[in-house]
Amino acid sequence: KQEVTQIPAALSVPEGENLVLNCSFTDSAIYNLQWFRQDPGKGLTSLLLIQSSQREQTSGRLNASLDKSSGRSTLYIAASQPGDSATYLCARGGFQKLVFGTGTRLLVSP
Amino acid sequence: DTEVTQTPKHLVMGMTNKKSLKCEQHMGHRAMYWYKQKAKKPPELMFVYSYEKLSINESVPSRFSPECPNSSLLNLHLHALQPEDSALYLCASSQPAGETNQPQHFGDGTRLSIL
Repeated sequence: KQEVTQIPAALSVPEGENLVLNCSFTDSAIYNLQWFRQDPGKGLTSLLLIQSSQREQTSGRLNASLDKSSGRSTLYIAASQPGDSATYLCARGGFQKLVFGTGTRLLVSP
Repeated sequence: DTEVTQTPKHLVMGMTNKKSLKCEQHMGHRAMYWYKQKAKKPPELMFVYSYEKLSINESVPSRFSPECPNSSLLNLHLHALQPEDSALYLCASSQPAGETNQPQHFGDGTRLSIL
């Protein structure tokens, strides 16, 4: 069974801190690794997608890396802001299928 | 604003009712998806349509019946649901899978409550 786990499950930081969210998956034969954020009661917003042939992707204050050999991805958030508070989900992409991780609930306090 | 629109936003129904969830996208995507998300859990894939044909059914009970009438619309017909079916139902779309998957774009979901 394909499993995707995320640590920590919850994280609380003061505004301005840099932070790292971790994602690990059991099957290295992936097509891509996608990071999403989900606000309470809302759908998912795609943040970054790393194809299996890539090592990292960057968008603004976000940087995601992928290491297929170790089955790990990290999402780095620089200079965190209260608006970054949300649940962050990684998803392992296979052919037509996404398997989601367990999520990290992030709270950034002013 | 989301580019994938789901209606209704909330739905309360009894176990004997028949209702439908609707999803619409105008991004020219030819793959559409239904996910189920229970509280504090990650989304779980239910169905995948590719070029308006059902390509994946994740062993979903027959009381859930998907339909893709055209490339922009995706429906989920509900009948005789159980209380454990109460959840957030998410629709997503993307370009169909090829050598590399494209990002999926999600709607805001329909929150379904079964009485």
